[in-house]
Amino acid sequence: SQKIEQNSEALNIQEGKTATLTCNYTNYSPAYLQWYRQDPGRGPVFLLLIRENEKEKRKERLKVTFDTTLKQSLFHITASQPADSATYLCHHTSGTYKYIFGTGTRLKVLA
Amino acid sequence: DAMVIQNPRYQVTQFGKPVTLSCSQTLNHNVMYWYQQKSSQAPKLLFHYYDKDFNNEADTPDNFQSRRPNTSFCFLDIRSPGLGDAAMYLCATSPRLGNHEKLFFGSGTQLSVL
Repeated sequence: SQKIEQNSEALNIQEGKTATLTCNYTNYSPAYLQWYRQDPGRGPVFLLLIRENEKEKRKERLKVTFDTTLKQSLFHITASQPADSATYLCHHTSGTYKYIFGTGTRLKVLA
Repeated sequence: DAMVIQNPRYQVTQFGKPVTLSCSQTLNHNVMYWYQQKSSQAPKLLFHYYDKDFNNEADTPDNFQSRRPNTSFCFLDIRSPGLGDAAMYLCATSPRLGNHEKLFFGSGTQLSVL
């Protein structure tokens, strides 16, 4: 079955450093991957979408890469700030409109 | 501001007592979704409406039903809540049904079952 996996352990990094989060998928090849941010007790908020034929997408301090050979997407936050602390979810849709979220990685940026 | 609104933010119900969660949107989106999210888990899609067409996920229990009386409103009915149904319920919308569509979420309703 299709699976999308994120590192469920929390990631703690120092303010100003680059945070890198990983999303791995197995048994399928998504046409698109999306990344969302979720704060405690709130709904997810869309951040970035990357297509399978795009290697990289950027938005301000955010960067997403998509490696179809490794079956992996990396999400980077450069010059991280305490306000970036949240859970980050990857989400995929495939040709059959199968919507699947990863479990998310909790990021904590230490001041 | 256009948005997705869920009411109430917190809902407490008793074991077996029917409960309805509501969602409204001012985005005029065609698609509305309901997700269930348990603590430290991924949001899980229960079903979605594309306009008036209802699409149930294969593993969604029969205990969960939904209604969409018009474009703006969508309801989640849990007919006989069990303790295992305690979770955050998230409503989301998208303009159309498609692989590249991004989802717009409400703030969720946290359901407790006593």
